[in-house]
Amino acid sequence: DTGVSQNPRHKITKRGQNVTFRCDPISEHNRLYWYRQTLGQGPEFLTYFQNEAQLEKSRLLSDRFSAERPKGSFSTLEIQRTEQGDSAMYLCASSPKGQTRGGTGELFFGEGSRLTVL
Amino acid sequence: SQQGEEDPQALSIQEGENATMNCSYKTSINNLQWYRQNSGRGLVHLILIRSNEREKHSGRLRVTLDTSKKSSSLLITASRAADTASYFCATVGTYPSGNTPLVFGKGTRLSVIA
Repeated sequence: DTGVSQNPRHKITKRGQNVTFRCDPISEHNRLYWYRQTLGQGPEFLTYFQNEAQLEKSRLLSDRFSAERPKGSFSTLEIQRTEQGDSAMYLCASSPKGQTRGGTGELFFGEGSRLTVL
Repeated sequence: SQQGEEDPQALSIQEGENATMNCSYKTSINNLQWYRQNSGRGLVHLILIRSNEREKHSGRLRVTLDTSKKSSSLLITASRAADTASYFCATVGTYPSGNTPLVFGKGTRLSVIA
């Protein structure tokens, strides 16, 4: 399967614990995006990478959230000291660079990682 | 904050009927995209329409774009039970760094009753 892969698919944790999600994008895609989605809402942009460079992180929800893409391949999203309000679906997407001139093209999404904080 | 807003929030129709969903946005765009999401799953890209296009078709999907009204519509013809899903429009956002990832609306939840 050559789609976007996310792990784990489900994570239940206690408040105050740290969690990490991994995303493996489509191999030839150099852009990688993280979104968060709560029930009944659309995906909310968090951050994105072009290769290993994090180009936009102003939308990360707090300093408890951090993301890395160390070698320009897979990425991790870490949430430290989780709170109940962090419960959501965390979605990863990838796209090739320069897909459409002057604007972002189609995103390819993974199936998401659902976080439940007790 | 979300750029696009879909209308209606929820829509329930009988199989075979057409479903129309609308999206309004606030700023100028390069393109507008529609995505579909089955419950508990990731999003799947349906169609992209560029700012210089007014209408686009893909199978049973028809998308229109009116940049003067900053609005778009998605029409699904001859709906099927398998079309039951949430549908989102997405436009390019603007951030302090100037980079422009996609910004999604809240979506329309479509139920097609067999």
